[in-house]
Amino acid sequence: GQQVMQIPQYQHVQEGEDFTTYCNSSTTLSNIQWYKQRPGGHPVFLIQLVKSGEVKKQKRLTFQFGEAKKNSSLHITATQTTDVGTYFCAGLPTSGTYKYIFGTGTRLKVLA
Amino acid sequence: DTEVTQTPKHLVMGMTNKKSLKCEQHMGHRAMYWYKQKAKKPPELMFVYSYEKLSINESVPSRFSPECPNSSLLNLHLHALQPEDSALYLCASSQTSGITDTQYFGPGTRLTVL
Repeated sequence: GQQVMQIPQYQHVQEGEDFTTYCNSSTTLSNIQWYKQRPGGHPVFLIQLVKSGEVKKQKRLTFQFGEAKKNSSLHITATQTTDVGTYFCAGLPTSGTYKYIFGTGTRLKVLA
Repeated sequence: DTEVTQTPKHLVMGMTNKKSLKCEQHMGHRAMYWYKQKAKKPPELMFVYSYEKLSINESVPSRFSPECPNSSLLNLHLHALQPEDSALYLCASSQTSGITDTQYFGPGTRLTVL
């Protein structure tokens, strides 16, 4: 079946260090969304990428959609303790059921 | 107002009980969703309602019964659940069920089945 994997599964960083999570789909995606879920919270939409090779920035966060539209990445520069949480990508396959498939998630811990 | 509300926040029920989860949004969204999330796992889509009609049912067991009384409300009726159904149940809404629409998630109901 269609799968969306994220690596790494966990990441511990010192505050101020950079962090990257990678999202890889088994099939081509129409678009991809990124969500953040704080511990004990619910997913909160961060951004959506639609075009091949698209790069978007939100302050310290940089999101990229691969040229083949099968992978994506989220990079955080100079992490802060407020970045703690699990980051999920959610991809919409170009074929098959019309629904987003959530990635496996990357849990980020930031050590002060 | 970009808020989706869910009640109750926590629910403990026995396997013979009948209970309902409620979700409400006042953003004028016409698509609403139920997700199930187990600990340390991603949300799994259960149902999608588009313009108050069920458009996607992800082969969910019949002990889960969704209902969309109007465009602002979404219910999930629970009956004869199993302990493995214990999870966080998330409701979400989006403007439509279009592919570029942002989904706004509620805080969830944490369900424990004894």
